[in-house]
Amino acid sequence: EDKVVQSPLSLVVHEGDTVTLNCSYEVTNFRSLLWYKQEKKAPTFLFMLTSSGIEKKSGRLSSILDKKELSSILNITATQTGDSAIYLCAVGLEPYGSGNTGKLIFGQGTTLQVKP
Amino acid sequence: ETGVTQSPTHLIKTRGQQVTLRCSSQSGHNTVSWYQQALGQGPQFIFQYYREEENGRGNFPPRFSGLQFPNYSSELNVNALELDDSALYLCASSFGSVQPGAGYTFGSGTRLTVV
Repeated sequence: EDKVVQSPLSLVVHEGDTVTLNCSYEVTNFRSLLWYKQEKKAPTFLFMLTSSGIEKKSGRLSSILDKKELSSILNITATQTGDSAIYLCAVGLEPYGSGNTGKLIFGQGTTLQVKP
Repeated sequence: ETGVTQSPTHLIKTRGQQVTLRCSSQSGHNTVSWYQQALGQGPQFIFQYYREEENGRGNFPPRFSGLQFPNYSSELNVNALELDDSALYLCASSFGSVQPGAGYTFGSGTRLTVV
């Protein structure tokens, strides 16, 4: 069964700290790995990774995929209280058969709390 | 504002009842995917509609059904509600169905509570 596992499940840090969130996956027909930030309800897109070893950056956030280890990390440097949210990792599958088309497999999420 | 509108935002239903949730997709998008997010869990794929036809389904029983209309808006129907159906139901619209996740715009969800 396709599975995505995130760790830690929750994390409390202070402003200015650097955090690393982990995502590992066991899926057939891997196509892409995505990171989302969920503050209240609607997840917002952060990164999509398809190639191993290529870091994607956006401001203080960065992410990298390791296809050999079937994992990805999301780094947040100089954390701010506005970074408090649930961070979701999801894997998109190659379309094969109608069941996989367009389907994302999500992990449980990591709840990050940044204290002032 | 996300561009994807879901209604209602909150809903309380009694076990055994039926419910219809609605999603208006972002302008220019022709694909709608529905996800169920239980408390403390990640979203789980229910199904996807592409150009008015179901285009993939997750491990949900047949009492979960859907529709997509010519304007690409969508409905999720759940019959014979069970307590475990209590969750946040998220709708995501996109253009095309070949690249899962890319270009998804999520709505803010409908919080369904079954008592």
